[in-house]
Amino acid sequence: GENVEQHPSTLSVQEGDSAVIKCTYSDSASNYFPWYKQELGKGPQLIIDIRSNVGEKKDQRIAVTLNKTAKHFSLHITETQPEDSAVYFCAASYGHDMRFGAGTRLTVKP
Amino acid sequence: NAGVTQTPKFQVLKTGQSMTLQCAQDMNHNSMYWYRQDPGMGLRLIYYSASEGTTDKGEVPNGYNVSRLNKREFSLRLESAAPSQTSVYFCASSEDAVSGGFFGPGTRLTVL
Repeated sequence: GENVEQHPSTLSVQEGDSAVIKCTYSDSASNYFPWYKQELGKGPQLIIDIRSNVGEKKDQRIAVTLNKTAKHFSLHITETQPEDSAVYFCAASYGHDMRFGAGTRLTVKP
Repeated sequence: NAGVTQTPKFQVLKTGQSMTLQCAQDMNHNSMYWYRQDPGMGLRLIYYSASEGTTDKGEVPNGYNVSRLNKREFSLRLESAAPSQTSVYFCASSEDAVSGGFFGPGTRLTVL
């Protein structure tokens, strides 16, 4: 089955700096790659996603890139704000069977 | 729109007891999912229902059963709870396989 690895496990940045989280996947058939943000005590919330026929997608301060050849994808957050502090999960799927990375705890220091 | 709702929010069981976790969505989504989340392990798919009337196993189905009651509701049953099933359980729904899932608030289950 699919295996998703996510790095780093923790990330601390200064407000206004950029943050980058990286994920690799093992199954070349995977074709959908969402990113989720989870705040304490809440369910994950979809923040951006990318399909395998697209290399990059941007939504305001958030962008995701996908390299199908290398089987890795990344989340980029620019101009970070304290409210960006949360745990972020990447995921990969082919069909309905979605596999998640272990998560990255992002802390944005004011 | 309530989105995805789950009941109960918290539950404590003794080993061997049974219970059903309820999930409902009001977004008219075709697909529904049950995940468990354990510390340091991300989310793992237990079962999913691609559409009304179908269910399939995910990554960690052992010890669980599911029922897609109708398009809105998808329940998860633990027939004989074990301490290893102590976890936070999330229900999610999506339009299809390549649409992001909307997650419920979770059920925190402790099995003693």
